[in-house]
Amino acid sequence: DIVMTQSPLSLPVTPGEPASISCRSSQSLLQRNGYNHLDWYLQKAGQSPQLLIYLGSNRASGVPDRFNGSGSGTDFTLRISRVEAEDVGIYYCMQALQTPYTFGQGTKLEIK
Amino acid sequence: EVQLVESGGGLVKPGGSLRLSCAASGFTFINYSMDWVRQAPGKGLEWVSSISSSGRYIYFADSVKGRFTISRDNAKNSVYLQMNSLRVDDTATYYCARIGSYGGYSWGQGTPVTVSS
Repeated sequence: DIVMTQSPLSLPVTPGEPASISCRSSQSLLQRNGYNHLDWYLQKAGQSPQLLIYLGSNRASGVPDRFNGSGSGTDFTLRISRVEAEDVGIYYCMQALQTPYTFGQGTKLEIK
Repeated sequence: EVQLVESGGGLVKPGGSLRLSCAASGFTFINYSMDWVRQAPGKGLEWVSSISSSGRYIYFADSVKGRFTISRDNAKNSVYLQMNSLRVDDTATYYCARIGSYGGYSWGQGTPVTVSS
């Protein structure tokens, strides 16, 4: 199974400041077609997860442009350029290259 | 808009069975594989099972293999998760999810399953 490792697990951020979450996979998520099968989700309290980024760097419909995904192979990063109060929640990366699909442990973003 | 509505969750004793349903709308159901993902209380996300668009290809997490089955009815735009021999550690919210054409899950609201004596 592919192991997904996120860091940090807790991320206190001042509103308006940037934030960054790292996600590493135990094997490359890059397919021959050039796509990285890595997604990012945000789960707000009491809600289902919501898709932020798919295929490593593509913003999902309706996601603000302050969210950016980057990386390739085994190292990926989610960056929020200026954190807002509504960004609070738990962020998960997930590999969809092969079953069993696996998630990172989650990074809890909170406002300072 | 993709809509996924789960039902069938509830309280069941260890060793018991439960059948979850997911009604899909807002997209051409027959064109997409469908998944189940679960989340134990206060824990992270765990992929459970996938079924291909035709139903021909089926996959399970090791933790549920041999106990859970997945099926779909393309005429009813629905996918099902039959859970047998339930254990306390199967307690979770179960989400129905669809991977988009280019990746990324759309999620239902989830249905809670509690396994307890």
